[in-house]
Amino acid sequence: EIVLTQSPGTLSLSPGERATLSCRASQSVSSTYFAWYQQKPGQPPRLLIYSASTRATGIPDRFRGSGSGTDFTLTITRLESEDFAVYYCQHYGSSRGTFGQGTKVEIK
Amino acid sequence: QVQLVESEGGVVQPGRSVRLSCAASGFTFSNYGMHWVRQAPGKGLEWVAVIWHDGRRTDYADSVKGRFIISRDNSKNTLYLQMSSLRAEDTALYYCARDGATGAWDYWGQGTLVIVSS
Repeated sequence: EIVLTQSPGTLSLSPGERATLSCRASQSVSSTYFAWYQQKPGQPPRLLIYSASTRATGIPDRFRGSGSGTDFTLTITRLESEDFAVYYCQHYGSSRGTFGQGTKVEIK
Repeated sequence: QVQLVESEGGVVQPGRSVRLSCAASGFTFSNYGMHWVRQAPGKGLEWVAVIWHDGRRTDYADSVKGRFIISRDNSKNTLYLQMSSLRAEDTALYYCARDGATGAWDYWGQGTLVIVSS
């Protein structure tokens, strides 16, 4: 069973700063089946990135996904007020889905 | 537009059963696999179950296998989750989610809260 470990647990940044979120898999996974989601309080998760680096429909280009194998990264190039939220990585191969424990991006 | 609307959850006693439903609209429901995902209060996301587009295959997380059953009625555009032998640790917000054309889960319902408590 694949385990995804996200770091850091919490990221305290100011609007306009760059956010770098990491997700490490316990074994190599296909980047074709790797995604990032954003969740704000009281809302369901929202798909941001799929196939490790492809932005979902309507997602601004300040969100960038990268990585392969066991190490994946979500970068938010310039934080805007609406970006403060919890972010989850996910591997969705073989019909199942495994999520990381989440990284909270909070206002410093 | 794509919409997924879960039925109301509620408070259920330990050991009892409840069935959740998820009404889909705005897309051809029978073309897509569907998932249930849950989130315990203040915790992260946990995948629960998946059903193939035609209902012929299902899969479950180990934590619910043998107690939960996922099903669908494509004629009614509705997904179901029959939850039995409920435990306190099943208390969570339950989301239905669509398995999109890319394989990622592109649309989610707003979630329904199930509280297992005596």
